[in-house]
Amino acid sequence: GEDVEQSLFLSVREGDSSVINCTYTDSSSTYLYWYKQEPGAGLQLLTYNFSNMDMKQDQRLTVLLNKKDKHLSLRIADTQTGDSAIYFCADRSNDYKLSFGAGTTVTVRA
Amino acid sequence: DGGITQSPKYLFRKEGQNVTLSCEQNLNHDAMYWYRQDPGQGLRLIYYSQIVNDFQKGDIAEGYSVSREKKESFPLTVTSAQKNPTAFYLCASSPSGVTTAPRNYGYTFGSGTRLTVV
Repeated sequence: GEDVEQSLFLSVREGDSSVINCTYTDSSSTYLYWYKQEPGAGLQLLTYNFSNMDMKQDQRLTVLLNKKDKHLSLRIADTQTGDSAIYFCADRSNDYKLSFGAGTTVTVRA
Repeated sequence: DGGITQSPKYLFRKEGQNVTLSCEQNLNHDAMYWYRQDPGQGLRLIYYSQIVNDFQKGDIAEGYSVSREKKESFPLTVTSAQKNPTAFYLCASSPSGVTTAPRNYGYTFGSGTRLTVV
């Protein structure tokens, strides 16, 4: 992977949906990932996609992939205070190393 | 349970000292990685190793050194040549490309070491 871009900040009201967007440039990307980092902790894998999967859903999380536009999004339904964290998008191309975006800091307000 | 352990959680370094951060995994992963995280800058790759006794420089290797004598262990030394070492350091591991099963679940991360220069 080469460049992975994300917006840096997102503020959302508790109970609303959050949408975090990511774009990647490497057309050979084979896997795409979302990680969550809580304050002072390591990164926790949330979800992964093969690069030919359009949508994946897991409880409150929905991942949408637009392969043509190289755009990946993570939607969190019914956002809770525990969802406040930094979310990283990453892609893996044929060299098996991950390239990470800068991370989107999600703040959930009451 | 299998996992990846970093120690210590907090580390203080005096000017001119070398310090070593520990990273151990029992996941039987071939590949291991060290990242540095600064506020607002995401993750930057310092070194990585895809097999025992071999490692490569990442994007910001200057002032750091590593060794990979055992599959389970990938310690990072922050040398006195690193002029701005205060940061959060993350270690990760993954199956290698050679041994990867068809579904790859990405990297597994440790809980990090916060290094502060005093």
